Amino acid sequence: AQTVTQSQPEMSVQEAETVTLSCTYDTSESNYYLFWYKQPPSRQMILVIRQEAYKQQNATENRFSVNFQKAAKSFSLKISDSQLGDTAMYFCAFMKLRDNDMRFGAGTRLTVKP
Amino acid sequence: GAVVSQHPSWVICKSGTSVKIECRSLDFQATTMFWYRQFPKQSLMLMATSNEGSKATYEQGVEKDKFLINHASLTLSTLTVTSAHPEDSSFYICSASQGPPGLETQYFGPGTRLLVL
Repeated sequence: AQTVTQSQPEMSVQEAETVTLSCTYDTSESNYYLFWYKQPPSRQMILVIRQEAYKQQNATENRFSVNFQKAAKSFSLKISDSQLGDTAMYFCAFMKLRDNDMRFGAGTRLTVKP
Repeated sequence: GAVVSQHPSWVICKSGTSVKIECRSLDFQATTMFWYRQFPKQSLMLMATSNEGSKATYEQGVEKDKFLINHASLTLSTLTVTSAHPEDSSFYICSASQGPPGLETQYFGPGTRLLVL
């Protein structure tokens, strides 16, 4: 079974600064997807970024980028120029290529301070 | 694009009654939808995978007779909590899968908060 571990229950960062959220996972699969989702107080899950395991290049979406280390099974999220609207729960998720079902980590609560 | 809606957004019911929650993909067709449950300050736990035109696949420990799932069309899946009890109170979230095979992404609904008195 796949497991996803987020070891930081809570983090905080000053507005405009950079923060990195950690995620590790365990799998015997060679092809899979990794995701970061954001859940603000509204509780709507929002896709932040996605990474295909077969791609060596780290995914980037504007201020959000990942550091994907396949051998280490690590998938961290870096948020640059943090904004107040980034305050939310962030979930790391793993999805096998074939099954299409997703497994989530426990989440990291990020607070951006003015 | 890729908008998923849920109805109702919140519901309060008496113990022993049944509650139906709808999940709709508004601007795309989804052969596969998923139902999750989220307790306060916890992560999302997959309950079942709903496939259009076939029976849902339930995760271990999820009672299929209690949580009835119907995926009658490519844009609608429903979750019925039968004979609800206070311990069923939770936040229920659905998602719909979109994208070509091998490139699917899940898009989530806004969730339904269920409170059973």
